[in-house]
Amino acid sequence: DTGVSQDPRHKITKRGQNVTFRCDPISEHNRLYWYRQTLGQGPEFLTYFQNEAQLEKSRLLSDRFSAERPKGSFSTLEIQRTEQGDSAMYLCASSSTVLQETQYFGPGTRLLVL
Amino acid sequence: TQLLEQSPQFLSIQEGENLTVYCNSSSVFSSLQWYRQEPGEGPVLLVTVVTGGEVKKLKRLTFQFGDARKDSSLHITAAQPGDTGLYLCAADTGTASKLTFGTGTRLQVTL
Repeated sequence: DTGVSQDPRHKITKRGQNVTFRCDPISEHNRLYWYRQTLGQGPEFLTYFQNEAQLEKSRLLSDRFSAERPKGSFSTLEIQRTEQGDSAMYLCASSSTVLQETQYFGPGTRLLVL
Repeated sequence: TQLLEQSPQFLSIQEGENLTVYCNSSSVFSSLQWYRQEPGEGPVLLVTVVTGGEVKKLKRLTFQFGDARKDSSLHITAAQPGDTGLYLCAADTGTASKLTFGTGTRLQVTL
């Protein structure tokens, strides 16, 4: 049973560039969540999918952010025109509505915008 | 305003000492979870508490959910360097189990 994986683990980019992160959830999990965590804080919810449908987006998710889960399996999170304030750890988690709904987190992608 | 306030924010203790971390809110929750996060990694679930007044033990860790289901505590007995990390409480806010996390307690245990 492989856990949640995220790629890349680290990303350094220049302000104004676009970046895309990928999350592969646990295979039988139908829910997938994205969170953002800044230094010294707990993770903050960004968005979640149930299968391929994006059902909720946080106000934190500006129009420069877009997330997809096209086939209900892996998900991508894209940030367009990155800003220094986007620097953070982006965490993905998955859960099953059938099995207790416990969220299992991936290792995260740490983004640094210069 | 944070929904979940944790205290203390930082704790540096020596091996063998005991400690307690608190997670407080003015809201009532159906359940509350505790996670531990190591640098550069995602949070790992330690325990979920559901019933008011519930006490759960995980080796040297004791978790308690307040009677009113508004607060929780984590007590570590005889801390070890391997306990070092960021301890996070999180509440299920009821919408698709979306989690709201506390502010975190960073624990360092030295020899």
